[in-house]
Amino acid sequence: EAGVAQSPRYKIIEKRQSVAFWCNPISGHATLYWYQQILGQGPKLLIQFQNNGVVDDSQLPKDRFSAERLKGVDSTLKIQPAKLEDSAVYLCASSLEDPSYNEQFFGPGTRLTVL
Amino acid sequence: KQEVTQIPAALSVPEGENLVLNCSFTDSAIYNLQWFRQDPGKGLTSLLLIQSSQREQTSGRLNASLDKSSGRSTLYIAASQPGDSATYLCAVIGSARQLTFGSGTQLTVLP
Repeated sequence: EAGVAQSPRYKIIEKRQSVAFWCNPISGHATLYWYQQILGQGPKLLIQFQNNGVVDDSQLPKDRFSAERLKGVDSTLKIQPAKLEDSAVYLCASSLEDPSYNEQFFGPGTRLTVL
Repeated sequence: KQEVTQIPAALSVPEGENLVLNCSFTDSAIYNLQWFRQDPGKGLTSLLLIQSSQREQTSGRLNASLDKSSGRSTLYIAASQPGDSATYLCAVIGSARQLTFGSGTQLTVLP
């Protein structure tokens, strides 16, 4: 079974530039998550999708971050404009429909460096 | 607000030793608890998931226990190997239906 795919794996940009990350979840997984992991910390949830709809985006900085999940499958996360403090690893995860009882499976992440 | 704490932050042991990693959480109203492993520059690999109704789960040399009432979980690794070197993260799902992570324990197993 293929895992969660993410691209790119690494990205270096200058502050105020924009950047986009892509995620393809495990086939059949209705729930998709984007996390931000700052060095030395655990991942923090940014946004959670159930099929096409947003379940929770309370920790997404909406003035600069946006995310969408087209047709309930792939998802993109965008940052515009980037700040220095956005340097982190962005992790995508997916699970079967109910996150209360199902494991989340993570992709390899995208390491973003903002200069 | 749920908070998850992992102690110690870093641990170094000689190969072959049995070890215990600790995780505590402030809100005992959880659905499940997951232990993950993260290798440098990589994503997270799920090791064990314990439902709130369970007391422990085992996979190979790993055993995770859960005491919901005291807000604690332990991950026991038997006969540690250098390949076990990684950061171990615990996370809980509570009423908000989202994973809240600890900061992890960085384990080094010395040959």
